[in-house]
Amino acid sequence: NAGVTQTPKFRILKIGQSMTLQCAQDMNHNYMYWYRQDPGMGLKLIYYSVGAGITDKGEVPNGYNVSRSTTEDFPLRLELAAPSQTSVYFCASRAGTSGYEQYFGPGTRLTVT
Amino acid sequence: GDSVTQMEGPVTLSEEAFLTINCTYTATGYPSLFWYVQYPGEGLQLLLKATKADDKGSNKGFEATYRKETTSFHLEKGSVQVSDSAVYFCALSGSGGGADGLTFGKGTHLIIQP
Repeated sequence: NAGVTQTPKFRILKIGQSMTLQCAQDMNHNYMYWYRQDPGMGLKLIYYSVGAGITDKGEVPNGYNVSRSTTEDFPLRLELAAPSQTSVYFCASRAGTSGYEQYFGPGTRLTVT
Repeated sequence: GDSVTQMEGPVTLSEEAFLTINCTYTATGYPSLFWYVQYPGEGLQLLLKATKADDKGSNKGFEATYRKETTSFHLEKGSVQVSDSAVYFCALSGSGGGADGLTFGKGTHLIIQP
């Protein structure tokens, strides 16, 4: 049971490039989330999904896209990377039961230059 | 909207000292409350939680009580160790069901000196 996994761990992009951050979970959780963490700012929700085929915007969705074709995978797509997207990105998941605690992946550190 | 406010860091203590990290929240309804811990270079780990008023969450010597009357969820530990050095985040789930993610405080960096 690997929990929530993310790839890559680190990435450097040039302005205008695109990339996909991968996230997978093996806990059969319905709910999945993408957050970004900026220094001294806590975590902000980018997108979330309540099940395969269903996604919705969070607090800071601009510049990102997501898809959810399976229960296990929830990739985050960055189109036309900008320096403002330099951050650490965390994927999380939770079961659809009460308590609402989320389980986090190890994160992807992205630098856009 | 919902919000979480926690004390600014860094907080520096000596080993075996008593720890309190303050957390207050603003939310409609009855959110669930959480403390997460982040060690350097790692993701967030759930430390403890409370799902209703007057509940006390506890884990690894840490405790926090859900106080609805003061909208607070302060984290305490009686005797800290060097290994407790980390960033601690207070968070809440929306009282509207939690599907839309957690709301986090900015985090408190705790440094324990031997």
